[in-house]
Amino acid sequence: DGGITQSPKYLFRKEGQNVTLSCEQNLNHDAMYWYRQDPGQGLRLIYYSQIVNDFQKGDIAEGYSVSREKKESFPLTVTSAQKNPTAFYLCASSFEGQLSTDTQYFGPGTRLTVL
Amino acid sequence: ELKVEQNPLFLSMQEGKNYTIYCNYSTTSDRLYWYRQDPGKSLESLFVLLSNGAVKQEGRLMASLDTKARLSTLHITAAVHDLSATYFCAVDMDSNYQLIWGAGTKLIIKP
Repeated sequence: DGGITQSPKYLFRKEGQNVTLSCEQNLNHDAMYWYRQDPGQGLRLIYYSQIVNDFQKGDIAEGYSVSREKKESFPLTVTSAQKNPTAFYLCASSFEGQLSTDTQYFGPGTRLTVL
Repeated sequence: ELKVEQNPLFLSMQEGKNYTIYCNYSTTSDRLYWYRQDPGKSLESLFVLLSNGAVKQEGRLMASLDTKARLSTLHITAAVHDLSATYFCAVDMDSNYQLIWGAGTKLIIKP
């Protein structure tokens, strides 16, 4: 089955720790995205990547880092510099092409809580 | 500033009623997306509207796009409880691989 997987589903972090959220897709999509969602809010873009070994900052990149070494994988690291990381993190991917609708497909999400 | 505004942000309605959710946006765009999110879950794509006058329907939901008015509507016909969810619209920012998201409309449909 094609899709996007995120792990873990729940993650607890102590203050001062870095944590890495996994995102994998087997849809052969070119672009991948990381969003943050706070309770009762819309989505805010953290980082996105259009191709392997390239990524761009979104609106709220401070305190986060990403890598895109493989087309299928786009891990997000929440660093200790992110002062308020408790949120729901969503990974998405899309197929970019002339005939594409560019619809973004979402993974199940990771709920991060700072203790 | 690029903005996408949804209204209402919260809607409680009875089963069997009709209602419309509105999505206004401030930038020129020909692409608008509607998503559904169930509580604690991820987002599910509902509709992709790619041109002025586009209309898409799926079951009791119908979405339309007026690019001149910079307005999209999501119309619910004869609502049923299973449609209770939060609905988001998102606008393509000139194919820059970024979407601008509305704050979401939380819809509660009472039996």
